[in-house]
Amino acid sequence: DQQVKQNSPSLSVQEGRISILNCDYTNSMFDYFLWYKKYPAEGPTFLISISSIKDKNEDGRFTVFLNKSAKHLSLHIVPSQPGDSAVYFCAALSNSGYALNFGKGTSLLVTP
Amino acid sequence: NAGVMQNPRHLVRRRGQEARLRCSPMKGHSHVYWYRQLPEEGLKFMVYLQKENIIDESGMPKERFSAEFPKEGPSILRIQQVVRGDSAAYFCASSPPLGMNTEAFFGQGTRLTVV
Repeated sequence: DQQVKQNSPSLSVQEGRISILNCDYTNSMFDYFLWYKKYPAEGPTFLISISSIKDKNEDGRFTVFLNKSAKHLSLHIVPSQPGDSAVYFCAALSNSGYALNFGKGTSLLVTP
Repeated sequence: NAGVMQNPRHLVRRRGQEARLRCSPMKGHSHVYWYRQLPEEGLKFMVYLQKENIIDESGMPKERFSAEFPKEGPSILRIQQVVRGDSAAYFCASSPPLGMNTEAFFGQGTRLTVV
């Protein structure tokens, strides 16, 4: 059962514009959410996270928004750069666990 | 994440052979997690180990798969009698003592191909 869902397999955005990547989850026990970035043939790299007690966390060009009532989070990248082209994974953690639950990923392509 | 070392990077095995995947955690990290990524899928948790202990192996297939993290040396994920469905990328992550999984850093993965 897929408890973390990323319904857009791919996204293409022009350089300089905003990229918005979406993620939905079903398990109400999740209380910590993370975004990972992954290049081909490399391991995931942690990007940004958010606790369920917050609704927004910002780090430079990256902002994550959490809507607990909708069980939805999104990652905003602005302005988008060609180097941001990668697969982005949404992951969730429950307060009683340590196993990250990953979505299937969204492949972002930022075109010049 | 360059600190977590996995080897080999690529491994080809024939059906029925054994695959051994190794993971050396970052210096000072005593917690290791193994994840598997099947084609077109996200990463799936397999097992969580601390030195000489398996803490949670709920994500491991019941047969043919085993993992260890000895007092000395790397963590080993072992797959016996591999089948084509075992072909995947296997990622290891590590975290420091008392660290939560949120502080885990991933290695570059081992890509297993079963022919």
